[in-house]
Amino acid sequence: SQQGEEDPQALSIQEGENATMNCSYKTSINNLQWYRQNSGRGLVHLILIRSNEREKHSGRLRVTLDTSKKSSSLLITASRAADTASYFCALLAGGTSYGKLTFGQGTILTVHP
Amino acid sequence: KAGVTQTPRYLIKTRGQQVTLSCSPISGHRSVSWYQQTPGQGLQFLFEYFSETQRNKGNFPGRFSGRQFSNSRSEMNVSTLELGDSALYLCASSSGTRGYTDTQYFGPGTRLTVL
Repeated sequence: SQQGEEDPQALSIQEGENATMNCSYKTSINNLQWYRQNSGRGLVHLILIRSNEREKHSGRLRVTLDTSKKSSSLLITASRAADTASYFCALLAGGTSYGKLTFGQGTILTVHP
Repeated sequence: KAGVTQTPRYLIKTRGQQVTLSCSPISGHRSVSWYQQTPGQGLQFLFEYFSETQRNKGNFPGRFSGRQFSNSRSEMNVSTLELGDSALYLCASSSGTRGYTDTQYFGPGTRLTVL
């Protein structure tokens, strides 16, 4: 299966700490995207990293991609209570995978004030 | 630009009925993808439309169908509803033309409950 597998399934930290979530997959990809979801609402796009990129930053977010290990990680620095949410990695597989993102099961992040 | 909108936001149906959900993409976007989210199966891809043509389809029964109009708005239909169809249905829009850099932007979802 090309589905992303996320680790850990749940993460509980204090405000100000860093949070790291990992995503592993099994097939070739065009890109990998990270999304956030609050309480069963819509998904908010965080970062897209292409298969030929190794690292991207956006504000307090840093995403890395290692295609040789078929893995990615999302780092949230100096976390805030408002970062509490579920985080998903989503893969756009190689080839003609028009519009089809394959999601991991998500990491539930809880940030305690 | 306005984001992706979905209507209705909540829906309650009974088994055997059918339902139609609507999605309006971001202005200028021509691709609309649909996903089903359940606690057990997570987020699963249903289908994708681009310029009124279905380009990709997930592993769902034929009871699930969709279409896209010339203005890129999309609808999905579920016929003969089953209890297991209770889920959050999400649509996402993208330009559909930038290949591997194309970002999908999601709507707020429609929460369907089947009784």
